[in-house]
Amino acid sequence: EDQVTQSPEALRLQEGESSSLNCSYTVSGLRGLFWYRQDPGKGPEFLFTLYSAGEEKEKERLKATLTKKESFLHITAPKPEDSATYLCAVRNTGFQKLVFGTGTRLLVSP
Amino acid sequence: KAGVTQTPRYLIKTRGQQVTLSCSPISGHRSVSWYQQTPGQGLQFLFEYFSETQRNKGNFPGRFSGRQFSNSRSEMNVSTLELGDSALYLCASTPGDQETQYFGPGTRLLVL
Repeated sequence: EDQVTQSPEALRLQEGESSSLNCSYTVSGLRGLFWYRQDPGKGPEFLFTLYSAGEEKEKERLKATLTKKESFLHITAPKPEDSATYLCAVRNTGFQKLVFGTGTRLLVSP
Repeated sequence: KAGVTQTPRYLIKTRGQQVTLSCSPISGHRSVSWYQQTPGQGLQFLFEYFSETQRNKGNFPGRFSGRQFSNSRSEMNVSTLELGDSALYLCASTPGDQETQYFGPGTRLLVL
């Protein structure tokens, strides 16, 4: 069965303090790994899709990387507006459904 | 392009009632998936529709059902509501030839 584990569960950073979020996964055949950002009471907002080990994608202060067993979301010089829950999900080659991790709650203090 | 829209945004029901939630995908997207999000279980897959056909189904009881119309709009129905059905119900749409799912704002259902 496909599984996604995210760590840490919660992370508190000072503004400008860079860090990384981890997403470990097991999947029968990886079709894609997805990162989303979710603000309280809202739907997940798409950030990145990664398809194969070694792939990297960047957007503003965020950079996502992928290996055969895990993905990292690196946050460089975060700002308070980066505070949110970051969700990781995988899709296997067979089905359209996404299997989500439980997320990392990030709080960036000014 | 307009995003995924879901109606209603908030709903309060009592145990035993039934509810219907609606989702309009992004224009041109033919696949619609539904998820349930709760604090304890996170995001759980309910089902996926493509061209009016259910392609995949998650591990939810038969009280949860859905359908898709020819214009790709989708509805999900929950019958005989239970307290544990209180959750944020999210709809996501996907272009037919891509992997990424784009989520709507969700419908917050509270069962009393």
